[in-house]
Amino acid sequence: KAGVTQTPRYLIKTRGQQVTLSCSPISGHRSVSWYQQTPGQGLQFLFEYFSETQRNKGNFPGRFSGRQFSNSRSEMNVSTLELGDSALYLCASSLGPRTHEQYFGPGTRLTVT
Amino acid sequence: QQQVKQSPQSLIVQKGGIPIINCAYENTAFDYFPWYQQFPGKGPALLIAIRPDVSEKKEGRFTISFNKSAKQFSLHIMDSQPGDSATYFCAASRGGNTPLVFGKGTRLSVIA
Repeated sequence: KAGVTQTPRYLIKTRGQQVTLSCSPISGHRSVSWYQQTPGQGLQFLFEYFSETQRNKGNFPGRFSGRQFSNSRSEMNVSTLELGDSALYLCASSLGPRTHEQYFGPGTRLTVT
Repeated sequence: QQQVKQSPQSLIVQKGGIPIINCAYENTAFDYFPWYQQFPGKGPALLIAIRPDVSEKKEGRFTISFNKSAKQFSLHIMDSQPGDSATYFCAASRGGNTPLVFGKGTRLSVIA
Protein backbone atom coordinates (compact mmCIF):
# COMPACT_ATOMS: atom_id res chain seq x y z
CA LYS A 1 0.00 0.00 0.00
CA ALA A 2 1.43 3.38 -0.98
CA GLY A 3 2.29 5.79 1.79
CA VAL A 4 1.36 9.41 2.21
CA THR A 5 2.48 11.49 -0.73
CA GLN A 6 3.13 15.21 -0.72
CA THR A 7 3.76 17.56 -3.59
CA PRO A 8 5.82 19.44 -4.33
CA ARG A 9 8.77 18.20 -2.29
CA TYR A 10 10.64 21.48 -2.49
CA LEU A 11 9.46 25.02 -3.05
CA ILE A 12 11.12 28.42 -3.07
CA LYS A 13 8.88 31.45 -2.79
CA THR A 14 9.33 35.15 -2.26
CA ARG A 15 8.02 37.03 0.74
CA GLY A 16 4.47 38.22 0.12
CA GLN A 17 3.58 35.43 -2.29
CA GLN A 18 1.18 32.61 -1.54
CA VAL A 19 1.70 28.88 -1.78
CA THR A 20 -0.43 25.74 -1.97
CA LEU A 21 0.79 22.36 -0.81
CA SER A 22 -0.88 19.06 -1.57
CA CYS A 23 -1.23 15.82 0.35
CA SER A 24 -2.64 12.44 -0.67
CA PRO A 25 -3.31 10.16 2.32
CA ILE A 26 -2.83 6.44 2.50
CA SER A 27 -5.61 4.64 0.66
CA GLY A 28 -8.55 4.16 3.02
CA HIS A 29 -7.40 6.85 5.42
CA ARG A 30 -9.92 9.63 5.83
CA SER A 31 -8.26 11.97 8.33
CA VAL A 32 -5.46 14.31 7.31
CA SER A 33 -3.43 16.47 9.67
CA TRP A 34 -0.83 19.09 8.83
CA TYR A 35 2.22 19.97 10.91
CA GLN A 36 4.97 22.56 10.57
CA GLN A 37 8.49 21.49 11.49
CA THR A 38 11.22 24.02 12.20
CA PRO A 39 14.55 23.65 14.04
CA GLY A 40 13.47 26.12 16.70
CA GLN A 41 9.85 25.15 17.36
CA GLY A 42 9.93 21.49 16.42
CA LEU A 43 6.74 19.87 15.18
CA GLN A 44 3.68 22.04 15.58
CA PHE A 45 0.12 21.14 14.68
CA LEU A 46 -1.57 23.26 12.04
CA PHE A 47 -4.98 21.65 11.41
CA GLU A 48 -6.85 18.40 10.92
CA TYR A 49 -9.51 17.46 8.41
CA PHE A 50 -12.02 14.64 8.27
CA SER A 51 -14.91 14.32 5.82
CA GLU A 52 -14.00 17.64 4.26
CA THR A 53 -14.45 19.40 7.62
CA GLN A 54 -11.79 21.03 9.76
CA ARG A 55 -11.94 19.31 13.14
CA ASN A 56 -9.03 20.88 14.96
CA LYS A 57 -6.88 23.94 14.41
CA GLY A 58 -3.55 24.85 15.92
CA ASN A 59 -2.31 28.22 17.02
CA PHE A 60 -1.34 29.67 13.67
CA PRO A 61 -2.46 32.92 12.02
CA GLY A 62 -5.30 33.04 9.53
CA ARG A 63 -2.78 33.17 6.67
CA PHE A 64 -2.60 29.41 7.07
CA SER A 65 -5.63 27.60 5.73
CA GLY A 66 -6.52 24.21 4.38
CA ARG A 67 -9.20 22.08 2.87
CA GLN A 68 -10.01 18.48 2.18
CA PHE A 69 -11.66 17.01 -0.85
CA SER A 70 -14.20 14.21 -1.12
CA ASN A 71 -11.42 11.73 -2.01
CA SER A 72 -9.65 12.66 1.29
CA ARG A 73 -6.84 14.48 -0.48
CA SER A 74 -5.94 17.71 1.26
CA GLU A 75 -4.33 21.00 0.45
CA MET A 76 -2.94 23.71 2.64
CA ASN A 77 -2.44 27.29 1.62
CA VAL A 78 -0.24 29.98 3.08
CA SER A 79 -0.91 33.53 1.95
CA THR A 80 1.31 36.57 2.24
CA LEU A 81 4.39 34.49 2.96
CA GLU A 82 6.85 35.65 5.61
CA LEU A 83 10.47 34.64 6.07
CA GLY A 84 9.46 32.79 9.24
CA ASP A 85 7.19 30.50 7.24
CA SER A 86 10.26 28.68 5.92
CA ALA A 87 9.83 25.16 7.25
CA LEU A 88 9.14 21.55 6.46
CA TYR A 89 5.39 21.08 6.12
CA LEU A 90 4.30 17.58 6.98
CA CYS A 91 1.05 15.86 6.25
CA ALA A 92 -0.10 12.87 8.30
CA SER A 93 -2.97 10.55 7.61
CA SER A 94 -4.97 8.25 9.84
CA LEU A 95 -7.95 5.97 9.36
CA GLY A 96 -10.35 8.31 11.07
CA PRO A 97 -10.80 10.79 13.88
CA ARG A 98 -10.86 8.11 16.59
CA THR A 99 -7.70 6.42 15.39
CA HIS A 100 -4.54 7.43 17.18
CA GLU A 101 -1.96 6.19 14.70
CA GLN A 102 -0.81 8.88 12.29
CA TYR A 103 1.48 8.20 9.36
CA PHE A 104 3.56 11.03 7.93
CA GLY A 105 4.51 11.87 4.40
CA PRO A 106 8.00 13.04 3.39
CA GLY A 107 7.03 16.69 3.69
CA THR A 108 7.33 19.78 1.53
CA ARG A 109 10.38 21.92 2.19
CA LEU A 110 9.30 25.54 1.80
CA THR A 111 11.92 28.26 1.63
CA VAL A 112 10.79 31.88 1.68
CA THR A 113 13.31 34.45 0.47
CA GLN B 1 3.79 25.96 27.51
CA GLN B 2 5.54 22.78 26.48
CA GLN B 3 3.30 19.85 27.26
CA VAL B 4 5.83 17.15 26.43
CA LYS B 5 9.44 17.62 27.53
CA GLN B 6 12.05 15.42 25.90
CA SER B 7 15.64 14.79 26.93
CA PRO B 8 18.45 14.67 26.07
CA GLN B 9 18.66 16.90 23.00
CA SER B 10 21.44 14.78 21.59
CA LEU B 11 23.00 11.45 22.40
CA ILE B 12 26.05 9.58 21.19
CA VAL B 13 26.43 5.88 21.91
CA GLN B 14 28.72 3.10 20.78
CA LYS B 15 27.38 0.37 18.54
CA GLY B 16 25.71 -2.26 20.69
CA GLY B 17 24.92 0.24 23.46
CA ILE B 18 21.44 0.99 24.78
CA PRO B 19 20.46 4.62 24.25
CA ILE B 20 17.63 5.82 26.47
CA ILE B 21 15.49 8.81 25.58
CA ASN B 22 13.11 10.25 28.15
CA CYS B 23 9.89 12.21 27.94
CA ALA B 24 7.71 13.80 30.58
CA TYR B 25 4.18 15.05 30.09
CA GLU B 26 1.88 17.32 32.03
CA ASN B 27 -1.63 16.56 30.83
CA THR B 28 -3.01 13.52 32.65
CA ALA B 29 -5.70 13.23 29.98
CA PHE B 30 -3.13 12.00 27.46
CA ASP B 31 -3.81 8.37 26.64
CA TYR B 32 -1.59 7.59 23.67
CA PHE B 33 2.20 7.92 23.59
CA PRO B 34 3.99 7.20 20.31
CA TRP B 35 7.61 7.47 19.31
CA TYR B 36 8.65 8.59 15.86
CA GLN B 37 11.96 8.15 14.06
CA GLN B 38 13.04 10.70 11.48
CA PHE B 39 15.94 10.46 9.07
CA PRO B 40 17.27 13.56 7.28
CA GLY B 41 15.07 14.51 4.35
CA LYS B 42 12.28 12.17 5.44
CA GLY B 43 9.06 12.51 7.35
CA PRO B 44 8.72 11.03 10.86
CA ALA B 45 7.99 7.31 10.86
CA LEU B 46 5.87 5.74 13.58
CA LEU B 47 8.14 3.43 15.55
CA ILE B 48 6.21 2.18 18.55
CA ALA B 49 3.40 3.43 20.77
CA ILE B 50 2.00 2.70 24.21
CA ARG B 51 -1.22 3.28 26.13
CA PRO B 52 -1.29 4.11 29.88
CA ASP B 53 -2.73 0.72 30.85
CA VAL B 54 0.63 -1.05 30.34
CA SER B 55 4.05 -0.28 31.80
CA GLU B 56 6.19 -1.65 29.00
CA LYS B 57 5.94 -2.52 25.34
CA LYS B 58 8.55 -4.16 23.14
CA GLU B 59 8.77 -4.28 19.37
CA GLY B 60 11.97 -5.79 18.09
CA ARG B 61 14.90 -3.86 19.52
CA PHE B 62 12.70 -0.94 20.64
CA THR B 63 11.10 -0.82 24.10
CA ILE B 64 8.87 1.81 25.66
CA SER B 65 8.77 2.04 29.44
CA PHE B 66 5.84 3.95 30.91
CA ASN B 67 5.47 5.34 34.44
CA LYS B 68 1.97 6.73 34.86
CA SER B 69 2.46 8.05 38.39
CA ALA B 70 5.57 9.97 37.38
CA LYS B 71 4.03 11.04 34.07
CA GLN B 72 7.11 9.85 32.23
CA PHE B 73 7.88 7.46 29.42
CA SER B 74 11.10 6.45 27.74
CA LEU B 75 12.44 4.73 24.65
CA HIS B 76 15.20 2.14 24.90
CA ILE B 77 17.00 0.87 21.81
CA MET B 78 18.64 -2.49 22.41
CA ASP B 79 21.84 -3.44 20.56
CA SER B 80 21.92 -0.07 18.79
CA GLN B 81 23.33 0.06 15.26
CA PRO B 82 24.73 2.89 13.13
CA GLY B 83 21.56 2.66 11.06
CA ASP B 84 19.59 3.76 14.13
CA SER B 85 21.25 7.18 13.89
CA ALA B 86 18.31 9.53 13.47
CA THR B 87 16.20 12.05 15.34
CA TYR B 88 13.63 10.55 17.69
CA PHE B 89 10.47 12.31 18.77
CA CYS B 90 8.11 11.39 21.55
CA ALA B 91 4.52 12.57 21.36
CA ALA B 92 1.24 12.38 23.20
CA SER B 93 -2.43 12.78 22.42
CA ARG B 94 -5.75 12.20 24.12
CA GLY B 95 -8.96 10.63 23.09
CA GLY B 96 -8.04 9.94 19.49
CA ASN B 97 -9.65 13.20 18.54
CA THR B 98 -6.86 15.58 19.33
CA PRO B 99 -3.60 16.35 17.58
CA LEU B 100 -0.25 14.91 18.56
CA VAL B 101 1.85 17.07 20.86
CA PHE B 102 5.52 16.46 20.17
CA GLY B 103 8.66 16.68 22.21
CA LYS B 104 11.54 18.71 20.78
CA GLY B 105 13.40 15.64 19.55
CA THR B 106 16.63 13.81 20.35
CA ARG B 107 19.38 13.47 17.79
CA LEU B 108 20.93 10.03 18.23
CA SER B 109 24.30 9.09 16.78
CA VAL B 110 25.43 5.49 17.00
CA ILE B 111 29.12 5.19 16.28
CA ALA B 112 30.84 1.98 15.22
